[in-house]
Amino acid sequence: TQLLEQSPQFLSIQEGENLTVYCNSSSVFSSLQWYRQEPGEGPVLLVTVVTGGEVKKLKRLTFQFGDARKDSSLHITAAQPGDTGLYLCAGEDGTASKLTFGTGTRLQVTL
Amino acid sequence: GAVVSQHPSWVICKSGTSVKIECRSLDFQATTMFWYRQFPKQSLMLMATSNEGSKATYEQGVEKDKFLINHASLTLSTLTVTSAHPEDSSFYICSAPGPSTDTQYFGPGTRLTVL
Repeated sequence: TQLLEQSPQFLSIQEGENLTVYCNSSSVFSSLQWYRQEPGEGPVLLVTVVTGGEVKKLKRLTFQFGDARKDSSLHITAAQPGDTGLYLCAGEDGTASKLTFGTGTRLQVTL
Repeated sequence: GAVVSQHPSWVICKSGTSVKIECRSLDFQATTMFWYRQFPKQSLMLMATSNEGSKATYEQGVEKDKFLINHASLTLSTLTVTSAHPEDSSFYICSAPGPSTDTQYFGPGTRLTVL
């Protein structure tokens, strides 16, 4: 069974602070995706990383895929209250488009 | 972009009854759809892969006789929770691979509460 461990599980910070969320696995994935989920809604895709060592930026969010394609990180600069939510990484095995979701990181950004 | 809908968005039922949840791809066809379950404050757990025109593939530990999946058309998959019990109360989410990329499109989820 492929497992994706995220850390930290919960993070409460003030507006303007920076943070990094980690997603680690012992398995290799063909691609890794990051999602944000609001309460009572489905997850929304933020980014997909495919190549080992790849870095993608989405405004204040920076995503990195590990060289060995087993781990990833999400860095948020100058967090805002609108960034509050559950952040999920998900690895795709490449054979059947199946996603294995990480354990999740709940982020709360306060004023 | 591609849109996936779910119906109902929430449902409350009595213990022992069956509940059907629909997942539709609104503007694209999906030969495969995925069903997930999410308990409060937890991540999404894949339950099964729904295959159009053939039997669903269930993940280990998921009872196929309890969670009936029917993928009768290229735009519709249904999940029926049979003889529901309070421990089946959860947030059920479906997804489908998009038409042109490896992107998965998720439905808005269905919250099931079994009394």
